[in-house]
Amino acid sequence: SSELTQDPAVSVALGQTVRITCQGDSLRNFYASWYQQKPGQAPALVIYGKNNRPSGIPDRFSGSSSGNTASLTITGAQAEDEADYYCNSRDSSGNAYVFGAGTKVTVL
Amino acid sequence: EVQLVESGGGLIQPGGSLRLSCAASGFTVSSNYMSWVRQAPGKGLEWVSVIYSGSSTYYADSVKGRFTISRDSSKNTLYLQMNSLRAEDTAMYYCARGEHRTNSWYFDLWGRGTLVTVSS
Repeated sequence: SSELTQDPAVSVALGQTVRITCQGDSLRNFYASWYQQKPGQAPALVIYGKNNRPSGIPDRFSGSSSGNTASLTITGAQAEDEADYYCNSRDSSGNAYVFGAGTKVTVL
Repeated sequence: EVQLVESGGGLIQPGGSLRLSCAASGFTVSSNYMSWVRQAPGKGLEWVSVIYSGSSTYYADSVKGRFTISRDSSKNTLYLQMNSLRAEDTAMYYCARGEHRTNSWYFDLWGRGTLVTVSS
């Protein structure tokens, strides 16, 4: 198995930009996907692939990748973006999956 | 409507067994890969198991040999048979639909979860 490393928490002022990173060896071979989870709710996909958003996800969410690091950027953070964010990828074996430990985003 | 609905959770004693179900609607479970993901109280997401459209199955090391993922195409339902349950298996269990594009594998549809509590 492999691991994905995320910062535990970040904060951002309302309307400002925040970047969340995810590091792991498997990210050299597979794109990360990103999930938003609000308290009491199931996770929801926000970014997948090189930089793709599911229908209904605002365009202030974007993704990027370089080497073993994937990033999720929220440009112009809103109060409703306050949530936990998890990255996910196939693991190094290519058969299983792994989640990062999650990053709690606080919008000030 | 495209959705996943989990059921089968509850309170179970250590060493016991439980079978979770995930009923799908609006798509066919056998056409996608499907996973179970769990979340212990106050903790992060943990991937548990996957079944691919070709029926290959894989498990996290923490559940290997104790849990079995399966599906019933006639009922369009995904299952997770959990045996030899431990206190550390206490979690909300989500089923999720997988999709893939080139070098990109992701879970685009999630159920609301079913809670499993392992305690005496």
